[in-house]
Amino acid sequence: DTEVTQTPKHLVMGMTNKKSLKCEQHMGHRAMYWYKQKAKKPPELMFVYSYEKLSINESVPSRFSPECPNSSLLNLHLHALQPEDSALYLCASSQGDQDYGYTFGSGTRLTVV
Amino acid sequence: RKEVEQDPGPFNVPEGATVAFNCTYSNSASQSFFWYRQDCRKEPKLLMSVYSSGNEDGRFTAQLNRASQYISLLIRDSKLSDSATYLCVVNRGGGYQKVTFGTGTKLQVIP
Repeated sequence: DTEVTQTPKHLVMGMTNKKSLKCEQHMGHRAMYWYKQKAKKPPELMFVYSYEKLSINESVPSRFSPECPNSSLLNLHLHALQPEDSALYLCASSQGDQDYGYTFGSGTRLTVV
Repeated sequence: RKEVEQDPGPFNVPEGATVAFNCTYSNSASQSFFWYRQDCRKEPKLLMSVYSSGNEDGRFTAQLNRASQYISLLIRDSKLSDSATYLCVVNRGGGYQKVTFGTGTKLQVIP
């Protein structure tokens, strides 16, 4: 199994809603990531989990809350988002060593209305 | 100077042509290098790692020039399916946040 699975694929939410994005991998990768990508821009790192512990938070607003329940799962909890948070949210995993690159999930396309 | 720079293109090339992209990086201590391809509204997919000795995978060849601090991607015999944005990724080493994505080069292969 060489996939990273993300759900949902599309999400429309209001600014007062609470929702969660989910990510799952079964490749035994020890590092998992959340990236945000706006149109015609490269992915921007949000969070890194290494061995199920949060190792990097790239100054992301608290309305985004990550969670890593176990080594295969990564969640991103969303609350009180703004329209400018609309983007493609990508989950990725790696063996924990950057020399092997990332495997990305297909992403969740989020629209905040 | 940006940490990782790419010509945004677009590069419009006919089928069967050979096309090359360069990506320059500013930190001479950078340790590992990758090319990803990203189709419109899809996720990036790892195309190949780039080694000092260069590497080849079918029609794709990647090279690293540490002296001049750039990596290149050569695509031979372009196919329509090669149309995508090609992202250069550089890892400065020393931690996960040291990975930097270039802004990407758009390739359009024309029939």
